[in-house]
Amino acid sequence: QVQLQESGPGLVKPSQTLSLTCTVSGGSISSGTYYWSWIRQPAGKGLEWIGRINTSGSTNYNPSLKSRVTISLDTSKNQLSLKVSSVTAADTAVYYCAREERWEHSLDYWGQGTLVTVSS
Amino acid sequence: DIQMTQSPSTLSASVGDRVTITCRASQSINSWLAWYQQKPGKAPKLLIYKASSLESGVPLRFSGSGSGTEFTLTISSLQPDDFATYYCQQYNSGLTFGGGTRVEIK
Repeated sequence: QVQLQESGPGLVKPSQTLSLTCTVSGGSISSGTYYWSWIRQPAGKGLEWIGRINTSGSTNYNPSLKSRVTISLDTSKNQLSLKVSSVTAADTAVYYCAREERWEHSLDYWGQGTLVTVSS
Repeated sequence: DIQMTQSPSTLSASVGDRVTITCRASQSINSWLAWYQQKPGKAPKLLIYKASSLESGVPLRFSGSGSGTEFTLTISSLQPDDFATYYCQQYNSGLTFGGGTRVEIK
């Protein structure tokens, strides 16, 4: 059974960089069958796709966040990571990592999510 | 960018009701549409992929249809466990979610 687990600081100061890690267990992150995505959800609001990466390291980002976001893979640790620079209160949200099936383009496994608050 | 519009935003229904949620894309996405169910404090759960394919383990009362720009999610007989928020998601060059439909008890 594939499991994803997000981790990282729950509190980030404005203008700093938010950094999160997603650890994948029960399957290899190097499998070419999948992409790996980050999604976020502000409290009481809808889902916003942040971006994704494939096993070749190719990335796609939400155009609204592209200038501030970096997604990367560490295949030796079976992890993916997210960095969002120059954060503001608007970046406060629950952040999820998820697996995207390459041929279906649907997100079939999700982490439980981690709340990141941007505040001084 | 492709925009996804869900309707209604809130739906009040009773156990046993047939429920339909609509998702419209701002341009054709062929059949690259998925539906998710989310309960408070939980991650979304995949229900339907490629517009009409039922994810393994999802009850048969859930079904999806549509192609191009208009899609529907139907729950044939609403059960107590189905009161939740539902999201559609499109794939084009990236992913976009609809705004969500909250299904509440009437």
